[in-house]
Parts: sequence; structure tokens; C-alpha cells
Amino acid sequence: NAGVTQTPKFQVLKTGQSMTLQCAQDMNHEYMSWYRQDPGMGLRLIHYSVGAGITDQGEVPNGYNVSRSTTEDFPLRLLSAAPSQTSVYFCASSYIRTGGGYGYTFGSGTRLTVV
Amino acid sequence: GDSVTQMEGPVTLSEEAFLTINCTYTATGYPSLFWYVQYPGEGLQLLLKATKADDKGSNKGFEATYRKETTSFHLEKGSVQVSDSAVYFCALAGGTSYGKLTFGQGTILTVHP
Repeated sequence: NAGVTQTPKFQVLKTGQSMTLQCAQDMNHEYMSWYRQDPGMGLRLIHYSVGAGITDQGEVPNGYNVSRSTTEDFPLRLLSAAPSQTSVYFCASSYIRTGGGYGYTFGSGTRLTVV
Repeated sequence: GDSVTQMEGPVTLSEEAFLTINCTYTATGYPSLFWYVQYPGEGLQLLLKATKADDKGSNKGFEATYRKETTSFHLEKGSVQVSDSAVYFCALAGGTSYGKLTFGQGTILTVHP
């Protein structure tokens, strides 16, 4: 089915380890973004991209890197994992609808625990 | 920058009660407004949306009206069910948030039989 695919669904890391959360979409959406969800804080934007080769920081970018070499893929890299990065991560793709407004599709999330 | 403020939770109701979850926003221009729902252990689902002033979004008995004069997008349902227990997020896109969503902090709703 078309949509946003995130892998892995669950991950446990040790402090200091690095890893990449994968996100892929097959809807040819221009915009992609990464959010983290923490209790009582809603979803906060980490990084986003308005097209291949273009990325920018969101509200909480520290400790994370992204790149967008293709329209389809937007991986999120944790450089040196810290317990404060324990969270649920969501990837989203989006587009501007003809006639105005936005359409968003979210992945199912990655639950990351850093010990 | 853009921001979204939701009413503090958690909200606890009895089945068939009336629900209102308040949401106000700050944004430049003409943002699109959304309500998302997250059921326990699941991801985000779009509940409803509105793209311009006075638009009413509706889905599954839930409604919200885009009020530009009061910068609000309150969520309402006339008669809640136990199955509506979830976390509800108000969000906006557009304004200065081009291509990305700005979320409120979420409101936990629990409905008892």
C-alpha cells in the first residue's frame, strides 16, 4: 500500500551508539519531516525537507542529522545516542493540495530507548 | 513563529457526554488546521481538517470550525463513546510553517462506560 514506511519499529541503543532511522515514501511528496513525541509535549519537529537536496532544522535538531538525496527517502541519524533521545519518532510526508491546504501522511513510528 | 495551544488535560467523561477540546493558534497568513487522534499504542491518524476561515471539518461525529476572528479550532462531539478514548492533537500548517506541522501538546481523553 502507498504511504510512509518507517523502520525499525522498535530499537534499544546504548549511550554513545549511533544509528539511522529509515523513512521512505512512495507518493512523490515534496515535503518530508521528522518529529519526536514525548509525554505531555506533543510532537516536536526535529528536521524537515522541502525537496531533494534541501533540509532545514526544526525545533529540536541537536544530536540529529538528516539528508535528502532522493524524493523518496529521508533518513534520520543519531550521531551519539543519549538517554534524552528516548522517544517515539514519527516521519511524515506532505504536499500542497491543488486549490490550497496541505495533505500529510505519517509513518507508524519508531519507539527508541537509549540505556 | 507559529504556535498551537490546547486545553490542559486529561479529560474524563462518561459515555454519551458532550465533548469540547479547545484549541487556539498563532500564525501569520492563512494556515490549514488539523485534528489528529492517537489511539493507545498506535500512530497518528488524521481526524479532520479545515483549510480556510469558516470551514467546518467533520468526521466520525467530531466537528471543528475554523474561526479566524478568534484564532480557534475547537473540537466537539455530541455523544462520546468508550472507543473515543485516545490522545487528540491540534495542529497547523502554512503561515510560517510551510511544509511542516506545528502541534499542540495533546489532550488525553478517557471515556468511562
